[in-house]
Amino acid sequence: GAVVSQHPSWVICKSGTSVKIECRSLDFQATTMFWYRQFPKQSLMLMATSNEGSKATYEQGVEKDKFLINHASLTLSTLTVTSAHPEDSSFYICSARESYSSDRGEDGYTFGSGTRLTVV
Amino acid sequence: QKEVEQDPGPLSVPEGAIVSLNCTYSNSAFQYFMWYRQYSRKGPELLMYTYSSGNKEDGRFTAQVDKSSKYISLFIRDSQPSDSATYLCAMIKAAGNKLTFGGGTRVLVKP
Repeated sequence: GAVVSQHPSWVICKSGTSVKIECRSLDFQATTMFWYRQFPKQSLMLMATSNEGSKATYEQGVEKDKFLINHASLTLSTLTVTSAHPEDSSFYICSARESYSSDRGEDGYTFGSGTRLTVV
Repeated sequence: QKEVEQDPGPLSVPEGAIVSLNCTYSNSAFQYFMWYRQYSRKGPELLMYTYSSGNKEDGRFTAQVDKSSKYISLFIRDSQPSDSATYLCAMIKAAGNKLTFGGGTRVLVKP
């Protein structure tokens, strides 16, 4: 089945620094990738949708200058948390949708294993 | 009001029991329905996918959709301790590509 690799799985950084998280589709091409944020014991909150070769679409309330998303190829999307602060500490998860998925939902959305970001 | 409502639990059951999970939604535009399992500090993994009203069975899992009532369910038979996780329902509108998640239900299967 489809596999999405997300790195790093955890990262600790100092306040004010930037952190980059990578999301790769290993065995399929992903036209669209999604970035989520998840707080403890809460559900996934969609942050942005990125399409290969174009600017990401951010959900309401998500600062695009804070969370930079780049989807430079059909297999790689990155999320950079700029000037991170302790309130940015969270679990970030990416999801990739296969380019030619004809069936919405079934095997079309594959999630990475998540990145736990701690800002100290 | 959230578009998708899901009881957060926790739901504690003895090993071997049937686990019953459900979600309600308010927008009839949702046409495709999924259940994901998420272990602690991991990404969600797809368990079941349905798009029509009725039942769909896969091994120990049965997904039910009732579009007229805007209600979906997931049943896990012969539950095992390894089924202990958070279960998330998710759905997509016919004309969209974004998943809308329920809040998740934490399930604990006790040996």
